Amino acid sequence: GQQVMQIPQYQHVQEGEDFTTYCNSSTTLSNIQWYKQRPGGHPVFLIQLVKSGEVKKQKRLTFQFGEAKKNSSLHITATQTTDVGTYFCAGQAGTALIFGKGTTLSVSS
Amino acid sequence: DGGITQSPKYLFRKEGQNVTLSCEQNLNHDAMYWYRQDPGQGLRLIYYSQIVNDFQKGDIAEGYSVSREKKESFPLTVTSAQKNPTAFYLCASRIPGTSGYNEQFFGPGTRLTVL
Repeated sequence: GQQVMQIPQYQHVQEGEDFTTYCNSSTTLSNIQWYKQRPGGHPVFLIQLVKSGEVKKQKRLTFQFGEAKKNSSLHITATQTTDVGTYFCAGQAGTALIFGKGTTLSVSS
Repeated sequence: DGGITQSPKYLFRKEGQNVTLSCEQNLNHDAMYWYRQDPGQGLRLIYYSQIVNDFQKGDIAEGYSVSREKKESFPLTVTSAQKNPTAFYLCASRIPGTSGYNEQFFGPGTRLTVL
């Protein structure tokens, strides 16, 4: 079946360091979405990428969608303690939204 | 306020008992979803419904049942057949389709513990 692989599973950084999580799909996606789940909370939508090669920025967060629309990345510049949580990608193929297993980010000050 | 509500936030049940988790939305979304979240497993789809009176099994439907009698409501029953029911359960809704912004809106979740 369709799968979205996400790496790494866990990442610990010092405050101020950069962080990147990667998603890879086994099939071409119509779009990809990113969500953030704070500890003890529920996933909250961050952004959606639709176009091949698309790059979007939200303050210190940069999201990319690959040219083949099979992979994506989320990069956080100069992490802060408020960035802690689990980041999920979710790829849409047809009507199904397929979630990756998430990358859990911890930040020490 | 528009949104998704799930109740209760914490639920304890004895082994062998069926339990129903509530999910209500006032976003006027057609599609609703139930996910199970375990540590390190991400979000696994249990059931989804694209329209009232219709629903489909997700990846891990065994031991669960749902109904969709109203657009606003999508309750999930965890039956005694579910071998390992202790988990965090998330309900979500969205406008179905592939075009435009169609992100999923999640409820706050119900943490079920079976003793």
